[in-house]
Amino acid sequence: GAGVSQSPSNKVTEKGKDVELRCDPISGHTALYWYRQSLGQGLEFLIYFQGNSAPDKSGLPSDRFSAERTGGSVSTLTIQRTQQEDSAVYLCASSLADGEQFFGPGTRLTVL
Amino acid sequence: GDSVTQMEGPVTLSEEAFLTINCTYTATGYPSLFWYVQYPGEGLQLLLKATKADDKGSNKGFEATYRKETTSFHLEKGSVQVSDSAVYFCALSDPRTSGSRLTFGEGTQLTVNP
Repeated sequence: GAGVSQSPSNKVTEKGKDVELRCDPISGHTALYWYRQSLGQGLEFLIYFQGNSAPDKSGLPSDRFSAERTGGSVSTLTIQRTQQEDSAVYLCASSLADGEQFFGPGTRLTVL
Repeated sequence: GDSVTQMEGPVTLSEEAFLTINCTYTATGYPSLFWYVQYPGEGLQLLLKATKADDKGSNKGFEATYRKETTSFHLEKGSVQVSDSAVYFCALSDPRTSGSRLTFGEGTQLTVNP
């Protein structure tokens, strides 16, 4: 079946603009995770959803970052007023409950 | 908090050489340990895992043993191939303290030359 998909694959934006990143998890996966992969910080956890609820938002780096999940499926990560330090690859993963996490290909965000 | 430390890379080996990538962890609970691999141009894939002390995870010729006494989970392969060239990440999850999120090491770039 289809794996985790993310869109867009690449996004170039100007400093100060808002961006939305989308994740389509594997069908039936109840858990969804966002991570960020950047040169200076490695791979960092951002937020975790179980269904539509986010019991763990502790990794979001600032209040400019938010995420939602609707219908227990698609999730959107929004970054407001982007800064250059937001440039990174944003990874989404999904899993059954606490099972193995399957990762998407990522969205490469470049803030000019 | 939980953390993972990997040996620094990059690592360059010749085909059929023995591979070891060191990984140590710090955790307050009883974590599960993982190795993930990221091949060029592809997403992260689970390579192997171990959920309790003395467990050995294995896949595609790679092995790692969960050593609680040394808080380590070193990745080994007896004979690497060019196709093993990738970035390898050690990771842990500790449901009792940090839920099911993964905490990753810095990643180790492996290049295998023919």
